[in-house]
Amino acid sequence: GESVGLHLPTLSVQEGDNSIINCAYSNSASDYFIWYKQESGKGPQFIIDIRSNMDKRQGQRVTVLLNKTVKHLSLQIAATQPGDSAVYFCAENMAVQGAQKLVFGQGTRLTINP
Amino acid sequence: DAMVIQNPRYQVTQFGKPVTLSCSQTLNHNVMYWYQQKSSQAPKLLFHYYDKDFNNEADTPDNFQSRRPNTSFCFLDIRSPGLGDAAMYLCATSLRLGGGQPQHFGDGTRLSIL
Repeated sequence: GESVGLHLPTLSVQEGDNSIINCAYSNSASDYFIWYKQESGKGPQFIIDIRSNMDKRQGQRVTVLLNKTVKHLSLQIAATQPGDSAVYFCAENMAVQGAQKLVFGQGTRLTINP
Repeated sequence: DAMVIQNPRYQVTQFGKPVTLSCSQTLNHNVMYWYQQKSSQAPKLLFHYYDKDFNNEADTPDNFQSRRPNTSFCFLDIRSPGLGDAAMYLCATSLRLGGGQPQHFGDGTRLSIL
């Protein structure tokens, strides 16, 4: 079946550096993508989303890039802070047997080193 | 301000003893979802309600049931919990089904089975 996956399960960066978390997806018909941040003991928290008619979207310290040609999604976090340490999930909205569903990737753990 | 509230945050039950987890929302969203998340894994959709319409995922065990008495509340019932059901259970909401709609998550209930 089609799925959303991540290239790196863990990522360590120095505080203040920029980080990039990558995500590969295989369903070319997916039209909407979301990045979630999940801290320990908490639920996934919405960070940023992007529709398939866009290739870039910026938020506060975060940027999402969408490359439909190679089915690749990335989350860039600028000037990382200790509070950015979490697991990051990408998710794609896709039609599965006629129903719209959010399918999550496997997650990347981001660790910020002081 | 919490918008998706799950109670309790931690639940311990005995093997085979029925347990109910609750979720409430202040967003007035039409759709409510239940996910199961095991350690170091992505959330897995169990089922969702679109208004009063219940939609079960094909691979959700019969042991898991849900009720939505009104727009604001949704319950997850596990009729006979087994050791494999120990997990974090996440409730989420969205305004409607379909693309372009982020899901908003609660902080989950961590279920332990003795």
